[in-house]
Amino acid sequence: QVQLQESGPGLVNPSETLSLTCTVSGDSITYYYWSWIRQPPRKGLEWIGYISSTGYTEYNPSLRSRVTISSDTSRNQFSLELSSVTAADTAMYYCATGASPSYWGQGTMVTVSP
Amino acid sequence: EIVMTQTPLSLSVTPGQPASISCKSSQSLLQSDGKTYLYWYLQKPGQPPQLLIYEVSNRFSGVPDRFSGSGSGTDFTLKISRVEAEDAGVYYCMQATHFPRAFGQGTKVEIK
Repeated sequence: QVQLQESGPGLVNPSETLSLTCTVSGDSITYYYWSWIRQPPRKGLEWIGYISSTGYTEYNPSLRSRVTISSDTSRNQFSLELSSVTAADTAMYYCATGASPSYWGQGTMVTVSP
Repeated sequence: EIVMTQTPLSLSVTPGQPASISCKSSQSLLQSDGKTYLYWYLQKPGQPPQLLIYEVSNRFSGVPDRFSGSGSGTDFTLKISRVEAEDAGVYYCMQATHFPRAFGQGTKVEIK
C-alpha cells in the first residue's frame, strides 16, 4: 500500500515562502496524480492543487498566484511552495494520492509567525 | 465556485443505530462523461481524512459495508446502517466534477 510522508519547516516567517515535500513509498509518482490539501486549526479542508505524472498542475484559484507544486521523480517526491505567507496560511498540510485524494499522509503542521 | 452544504453539522448516535448525513451542491455534479464525482471522507480525531466512498456510491478499499452512499445531481447522502464506536469523527463530502474541488464544512458524529 502506498505511504506518504510530509516534511518541512514547522514555522515560517510572514511574507516568506512555505516549502514542503511529500515522500512517496510503495508506488511511483510517475503514475497517477498527487495532491496537496490543508486544514487550518479547528476548521475544514481546503484543496490546494495537484500535479500529474506528466507534470501538469491545477491549483485552487484562491491560491494560484502564490502556489507551485512540482515533482522530483528521481527521489519519488513531490513538493509544495506557497509564497508571501500570512497567519491565514497556518494549517495542517496534507499530501495525498490522486486528483481526488484517496490515501493521505499524516500531515505536517505549519505555523506562520514571526 | 461550487458550494457544498452538509446537514446536520453535528450528530449524536447510539451504537447500533443508523445515521445519515446529507450533502447538497450548488450545481449538479453530473459530469459530461456520465459520472458523478462526489466523495465522502471520515476524519477521526488526530488523524488525516480517510476516503470512504468515491463517485457517489462506491466503497473504497477496506471500508465496511455498513457505509453506503447514494444520490444524484445536487443531493447526496451518506448512511451508516449500524453505527459503531470507531465511526466517531468528522465526515466531509467533496466534489471533483467542477473546478476547483470543494469540500463540505463537515459533520461531526459523536457516539453516545
